Amino acid sequence: DGGITQSPKYLFRKEGQNVTLSCEQNLNHDAMYWYRQDPGQGLRLIYYSQIVNDFQKGDIAEGYSVSREKKESFPLTVTSAQKNPTAFYLCASSIPRDSGSYTGELFFGEGSRLTVL
Amino acid sequence: GEDVEQSLFLSVREGDSSVINCTYTDSSSTYLYWYKQEPGAGLQLLTYIFSNMDMKQDQRLTVLLNKKDKHLSLRIADTQTGDSAIYFCAERGSSASKIIFGSGTRLSIRP
Repeated sequence: DGGITQSPKYLFRKEGQNVTLSCEQNLNHDAMYWYRQDPGQGLRLIYYSQIVNDFQKGDIAEGYSVSREKKESFPLTVTSAQKNPTAFYLCASSIPRDSGSYTGELFFGEGSRLTVL
Repeated sequence: GEDVEQSLFLSVREGDSSVINCTYTDSSSTYLYWYKQEPGAGLQLLTYIFSNMDMKQDQRLTVLLNKKDKHLSLRIADTQTGDSAIYFCAERGSSASKIIFGSGTRLSIRP
């Protein structure tokens, strides 16, 4: 079955530590995204990548870093510079815009909940 | 910048219709979406509407788009307990490579 896999589902981190969240997809999608979700605030875009070896900052990129070395993988590192990292993180992907069936829909993983102790 | 707004909570009686409303600011929106999120899970697309449409119906779901007022609504007929979730409105602009989400409406069902 095709889909997006995020790991770990739950993660605890001490203050001052970096942590990397994994996102893997086997949908053959070019574009991938990372969102942060906080209660009552909806989803805010952290980083997105439209193609391998390229990525752009979203609305709240400070304190985060990403890489896109492979089409299937888009890991997110939450660095110690992120002042309030406790949140639910969602990875998503979408099909190419030149696809005949393009609707712009995002396909989401199940999320990773990060708690800083 | 672009913004999408929706109310945070809605409570309906089981069997009644639920109507969730959303407003957006981007006049160049091409696609508008409704996503559903169950507790502790990711978002799943419920339905979408292209900006040149006024209405779209899919089983119990009806989407209405008023492009002039930049207003989108989702009606769920015969609301069931399994419809309890957070519903997100979202829009994608014509040149945007990202989707803008609202804050989500938590739908609760009372017996």
